[in-house]
Amino acid sequence: GAGVSQTPSNKVTEKGKYVELRCDPISGHTALYWYRQSLGQGPEFLIYFQGTGAADDSGLPNDRFFAVRPEGSVSTLKIQRTERGDSAVYLCASSLSGMGETQYFGPGTRLLVL
Amino acid sequence: GEDVEQSLFLSVREGDSSVINCTYTDSSSTYLYWYKQEPGAGLQLLTYIFSNMDMKQDQRLTVLLNKKDKHLSLRIADTQTGDSAIYFCAETPPGSYQLTFGKGTKLSVIP
Repeated sequence: GAGVSQTPSNKVTEKGKYVELRCDPISGHTALYWYRQSLGQGPEFLIYFQGTGAADDSGLPNDRFFAVRPEGSVSTLKIQRTERGDSAVYLCASSLSGMGETQYFGPGTRLLVL
Repeated sequence: GEDVEQSLFLSVREGDSSVINCTYTDSSSTYLYWYKQEPGAGLQLLTYIFSNMDMKQDQRLTVLLNKKDKHLSLRIADTQTGDSAIYFCAETPPGSYQLTFGKGTKLSVIP
C-alpha cells in the first residue's frame, strides 16, 4: 500500500523567503507528526496532529514555524523568513491513532536555505 | 543522562554479526524502536520492543532490552552489504507522542 509521501523532495530557497512543505500520510492514519533532522543528528520532534488539531506543538523552534492539517489528512509545514539554520531534512510520519502506535516515516524534504 | 546515546560508528565484515548499542533516558518508556536510514532516504522501521519484554527476534534481527540499565541493543546476524546504513534507536516516554532519537550509528559493512 502507499506509504507516507512528502513534496517537494528537495527545496532550495534564499534567506528570508517563505516555504511550504507538504505531507500526505498513510490513508486512515489520524495521527501525523513532523520532525526535523539536522546533519549528523537524529530527528527532533516538531509538532503532532490528532485529526485536524495540533495536539502538541512544543517542538516548534519559534513563531516562524507553523503547521496546518485542515481536513485531517494532508499537512503543510510553513516556514516564514527562512534562515540558514533552518536547513535540514524535514520528516513527516503518521500513525494509526496516536500514543503508543508505531510511526511510519516519509522520505523527507531536504531544505537548503542559501 | 538526558540524551538517547549511541556510538557513532561500527564497521563489520560481511557475514559477521553486528551489535549496535543504545542507552535510553526513561526507564518507564513503553516502546523502544530501531529505525534504519539509508543514504538520502527516510526512516524505515526495523523492529520495536515493548518494555515488558527482554528479547525479541525477527529473522536476522535480535533486540535485547535491559530495563535496569536502560540499555537496548540490536544484533544483525550474517550482516550483508545492504545492511550498510545509519541505525537509530528511539524511545517514546510514557504519556508522550514524540519519538526521542539517538544520533544514530553508522554501520559500514566491508565486503
